[in-house]
Amino acid sequence: EADIYQTPRYLVIGTGKKITLECSQTMGHDKMYWYQQDPGMELHLIHYSYGVNSTEKGDLSSESTVSRIRTEHFPLTLESARPSHTSQYLCASSDSWSPGELFFGEGSRLTVL
Amino acid sequence: KNQVEQSPQSLIILEGKNCTLQCNYTVSPFSNLRWYKQDTGRGPVSLTIMTFSENTKSNGRYTATLDADTKQSSLHITASQLSDSASYICVVSADHGGSQGNLIFGKGTKLSVKP
Repeated sequence: EADIYQTPRYLVIGTGKKITLECSQTMGHDKMYWYQQDPGMELHLIHYSYGVNSTEKGDLSSESTVSRIRTEHFPLTLESARPSHTSQYLCASSDSWSPGELFFGEGSRLTVL
Repeated sequence: KNQVEQSPQSLIILEGKNCTLQCNYTVSPFSNLRWYKQDTGRGPVSLTIMTFSENTKSNGRYTATLDADTKQSSLHITASQLSDSASYICVVSADHGGSQGNLIFGKGTKLSVKP
């Protein structure tokens, strides 16, 4: 079982609020990722990091931001949430020595009213 | 353009029956192909990895095949159980693991196993 944790699992907030989705892993993985997934659709990469102080935007444009101050922690922040941000956000990590295998957290389901 | 297409989009089978899910890809250069299982409301979990030189790999009741010539993979589930109800996602890596930005995801096949 993967040691990667996301909080909160579910969040319902009003438009304009600032939110931070937390993601932590205890496997010592250098690479971490945030994916966005809508129901019945494929995962889209929105941010990734290859290590501390390294962050990159993914294929899908997102108004969110991320930071990587510690190896184990990769939080995602939305400064001003909108209904269009309603989605499932999945955090993942990978070991450089196992190409392609992602270890996912349980996900954070965000609903913006 | 690198693409991964899965079929069928959804599938309903009776408990105890077998089924086969398909994945066709146009990804170059090909590194490996993984099948993930995603339970409703959970994160995906890796089932198998197929590299260029492998054509069959089993993980319990799951058997994956790969035909690198036709760029097709299948996931066969034997003697299905209710717990097999999930989405199955095919993910192809376009390189040798250097950049996770080159992972191409299929939309998944939603499998429902009925009693």
